[in-house]
Amino acid sequence: ELKVEQNPLFLSMQEGKNYTIYCNYSTTSDRLYWYRQDPGKSLESLFVLLSNGAVKQEGRLMASLDTKARLSTLHITAAVHDLSATYFCAVLTGTASKLTFGTGTRLQVTL
Amino acid sequence: NAGVTQTPKFRVLKTGQSMTLLCAQDMNHEYMYWYRQDPGMGLRLIHYSVGEGTTAKGEVPDGYNVSRLKKQNFLLGLESAAPSQTSVYFCASRPPEALGTQYFGPGTRLLVL
Repeated sequence: ELKVEQNPLFLSMQEGKNYTIYCNYSTTSDRLYWYRQDPGKSLESLFVLLSNGAVKQEGRLMASLDTKARLSTLHITAAVHDLSATYFCAVLTGTASKLTFGTGTRLQVTL
Repeated sequence: NAGVTQTPKFRVLKTGQSMTLLCAQDMNHEYMYWYRQDPGMGLRLIHYSVGEGTTAKGEVPDGYNVSRLKKQNFLLGLESAAPSQTSVYFCASRPPEALGTQYFGPGTRLLVL
């Protein structure tokens, strides 16, 4: 059974600081997704990482994938308040493109 | 394009009552999914469908049934609601091509008393 673990579960950071969210998964997969969820809202796709060594960047967020280590990271550079949200990683599993989600990391950026 | 829509947005049920949640997508996607989201547990897959007329069980299917009579609609039914089914339910769809990400609906908040 595939397990997807994120850490930390909660992150409070000051504006302007850098930090990294980690996503570990337990079995082989060649695709990993990052989503963002604002409170009371739906999930918004951020990144799709397709292969080992893949790196994607959008604004202050950069995601990477190491399939050998079964690890993905979401790096936040110079955080701003607008990045406050819950971030989920999800791993592609089995047939029908099913996703197994991590428990999420709630990010709070304070002034 | 409306994308993925869900009906209703919020519902309160009494234990033992039944209801159907409707998911509709106008993107002509083949694959559709139902998830539930509970605090501290992320999203868990309930049922999914890879095309019209097909359904399959996900990680937590007990207490739920689904139907996909039309390609654009995916229905989630609760025959006899239980307090443990209090949750936020999300529907998603995706195209079959390899790079396709899942697109999520706005969610249905369900409270079972």
